[in-house]
Amino acid sequence: EAQVTQNPRYLITVTGKKLTVTCSQNMNHEYMSWYRQDPGLGLRQIYYSMNVEVTDKGDVPEGYKVSRKEKRNFPLILESPSPNQTSLYFCASSLAGANTEAFFGQGTRLTVV
Amino acid sequence: AQTVTQSQPEMSVQEAETVTLSCTYDTSESDYYLFWYKQPPSRQMILVIRQEAYKQQNATENRFSVNFQKAAKSFSLKISDSQLGDAAMYFCAYRSSEGAGKSTFGDGTTLTVKP
Repeated sequence: EAQVTQNPRYLITVTGKKLTVTCSQNMNHEYMSWYRQDPGLGLRQIYYSMNVEVTDKGDVPEGYKVSRKEKRNFPLILESPSPNQTSLYFCASSLAGANTEAFFGQGTRLTVV
Repeated sequence: AQTVTQSQPEMSVQEAETVTLSCTYDTSESDYYLFWYKQPPSRQMILVIRQEAYKQQNATENRFSVNFQKAAKSFSLKISDSQLGDAAMYFCAYRSSEGAGKSTFGDGTTLTVKP
């Protein structure tokens, strides 16, 4: 089944404890992105990647890191999480091109206390 | 930078009726793509419809259609014969033809469908 898989689905952590949210897609998509969703703010793009070893900042990259060592994986790293990073996170992938449909993961609900 | 504005945080519609969700955007580019995504309570984002800016004809997908007004930078979504399963949050999104990895989403409109 074609899908984007994020793990974990839910995570509660403490301020300053490094964490990684994994994202994997099995559709051989070139593009991958991370978004955060907050009430009243919609989806905001954190980072995106248009190919292996190519990553770019989105609108809200501060406090996050990403890497794209393999085409299928695009992990999101929070080196020192803070409470303002409490949010719902989505990973998405798509074929190359601006008109392509984005396929989203199921979301990761992160709470930083 | 591009911005996308959805001015209706919440909308409601009676089952079988028609509803229109509004979206406006700001850009200096001439070539871009616009999308509507649906997020039901399950949180799974699903593409509803897409429009290419260079096409004058409005996109249609079954009960879903758009009214694309390029000069006005407006991209509204019309849902005809609304069904209970249409209840969801709807997001309008912009994607430039250059730097196509970058996407900008609106704040979303929550649609309630009343039986």
